[in-house]
Amino acid sequence: GQNIDQPTEMTATEGAIVQINCTYQTSGFNGLFWYQQHAGEAPTFLSYNVLDGLEEKGRFSSFLSRSKGYSYLLLKELQMKDSASYLCAVRGSWGKLQFGAGTQVVVTP
Amino acid sequence: DTGVSQNPRHKITKRGQNVTFRCDPISEHNRLYWYRQTLGQGPEFLTYFQNEAQLEKSRLLSDRFSAERPKGSFSTLEIQRTEQGDSAMYLCASSLGLAEQETQYFGPGTRLLVL
Repeated sequence: GQNIDQPTEMTATEGAIVQINCTYQTSGFNGLFWYQQHAGEAPTFLSYNVLDGLEEKGRFSSFLSRSKGYSYLLLKELQMKDSASYLCAVRGSWGKLQFGAGTQVVVTP
Repeated sequence: DTGVSQNPRHKITKRGQNVTFRCDPISEHNRLYWYRQTLGQGPEFLTYFQNEAQLEKSRLLSDRFSAERPKGSFSTLEIQRTEQGDSAMYLCASSLGLAEQETQYFGPGTRLLVL
């Protein structure tokens, strides 16, 4: 079957680091995306990995291991505005994205 | 603003009524996707257009749902004889369409409530 798993919720303190893990089992793989979604808003693109390794973009980094079907999103120097849902998505055929259920990150003062 | 736009942003309807949503993608984008998202879940793929051609439809898209992209620009998603289970956020996304590895950019969504 096809499965994308990520934790439901994570809580961290402002200024801290949080790592959101994503494991996937899909029939096709053309890359893995991370999106951020604030409540009631559209998902916004954060990062993309198609090759194994780490991609760094400011406070956000994303890692991919295709052999393990595993990715993580690392959020550093957490800010209150980072409180949101973080969606892991695998691109399959025709470019369509298959999403996990999302990880709600709660940043506390 | 040159992002993806969707109208209306909110729609409340009674069960059995028909509704139509519109998506205007980023102007040079050839690919257009429709997704549906319910509370606490990630978006689920519904259908996809390359220019005006509808190339794939999900099993989630029952025969009450129809989508068009007549001139390869904006797209409409129509739901006939709405049911309470259709209540969800309907998201549209677009991408350039020049390569497989492309980022999809999402619109703000249309939130549908069927009473």
